[in-house]
Parts: sequence; C-alpha cells; structure tokens
Amino acid sequence: DADVTQTPRNRITKTGKRIMLECSQTKGHDRMYWYRQDPGLGLQLIYYSFDVKDINKGEISDGYSVSRQAQAKFSLSLESAIPNQTALYFCATSGDRGGPLGYTFGSGTRLTVV
Amino acid sequence: GEDVEQSLFLSVREGDSSVINCTYTDSSSTYLYWYKQEPGAGLQLLTYIFSNMDMKQDQRLTVLLNKKDKHLSLRIADTQTGDSAIYFCAEGAYNDYKLSFGAGTTVTVRA
Repeated sequence: DADVTQTPRNRITKTGKRIMLECSQTKGHDRMYWYRQDPGLGLQLIYYSFDVKDINKGEISDGYSVSRQAQAKFSLSLESAIPNQTALYFCATSGDRGGPLGYTFGSGTRLTVV
Repeated sequence: GEDVEQSLFLSVREGDSSVINCTYTDSSSTYLYWYKQEPGAGLQLLTYIFSNMDMKQDQRLTVLLNKKDKHLSLRIADTQTGDSAIYFCAEGAYNDYKLSFGAGTTVTVRA
C-alpha cells in the first residue's frame, strides 16, 4: 500500500457542489499538507496541519476548508466548487523537521469542475 | 512559486544530456531539491543538495549549485525515454515546514 493515499483519483463535479478530497497516511507523520498544481504555476500550498489541533492557511486557502480527523487523515473540502478550482490536488506529509527526505506525496486527485 | 523560477519546457534527443535550470531568491534556503513527476503520478524526490555544497553527483544525475547567483541546475546524462517527465525545483529550510516549488520543467525526450 502507498504511504500516502488520496481518494478519489479523479472526480468531475458541477459548479456549486460541495466536494471532499480525502488523504490518509501510514508514515506516522504529524505534518500534513494540501497542495494544488496548475500547469505553469507549480505547486501552491492550500492548507497545512502540524497536528490534529493545529491547522493553518497556506497561500491560496480561499474557497477551501480542511479537517484533520486523526493523525493519519486530512481531508480537503470545496464548499461550493467553481470552474477555476479545476486542478490536480496533492496531499503530502512530513516529519517534525524538514530536510531532504521529509516530504512524501500522494499520487494526486484530478478534479474537474464543470 | 514566486520565489523559485525555472523554464517550462525542454526537448532533448535520446542519448544526449539534459540540463534543467532553476533560480531561487531565498538566501536562507538550506536544501534545494529536484522532484520528478511522471504522468499520472505524484512527486518523487529525485535528488537534493545542501546549500553549503556546490556539486552532487548520483549516477546519471549531476546537481550544480551556485549559491552566489542562487542558481541550481540538474544535468541528466544519457537521457532516456523514461526521463520524460515534469521536473520541479524546490527550496526549503531545515526547520521550516514549507517547500517553495518552481512551476516545473516539462522534459520531452525524442528518439
């Protein structure tokens, strides 16, 4: 099994719908992140969580919310999806410190809002 | 990310060397990374270099760091079709949670 699992892998949803993207990890890491990838823009940080009770906004949090249900689970919600939220979404984890081996990424969720 | 810049596309012939360039602005960066993203997959750490080094070699990969100019490059020797992917440059500090990513360079290997 993958260390970081994202579900669903692909999703098409309509404008105005609420949608939740889920992430679970078996790394035992405290820190979890949600990134958004757009072509030509790289990865932008949406939200991050240092532990279950510590959740922080990233660069582009507007229109998104998160829930850290447990150390291993971090979900991202779009309360009312809009077309410009069409993107590839990545969940990642890291240990208490950074360093070169710190980040583990999931395989991504491709979201299309029509 | 706005602090890390890299060109968007590179086309290279199979067997030639590829060089991907990156510039960054944060002088407090401790580590500089190269991630590879294959189609339909997440980001995979390819290699990294500590900021007090100027070169690191790992099989076909050579990373060069010019700290004065804040310039990082990744050279792939004997480029193969399996090297076709998006390559992301990223920088971060050791005790900082956040990595800053470049926009990614799409490398296309042609026969």
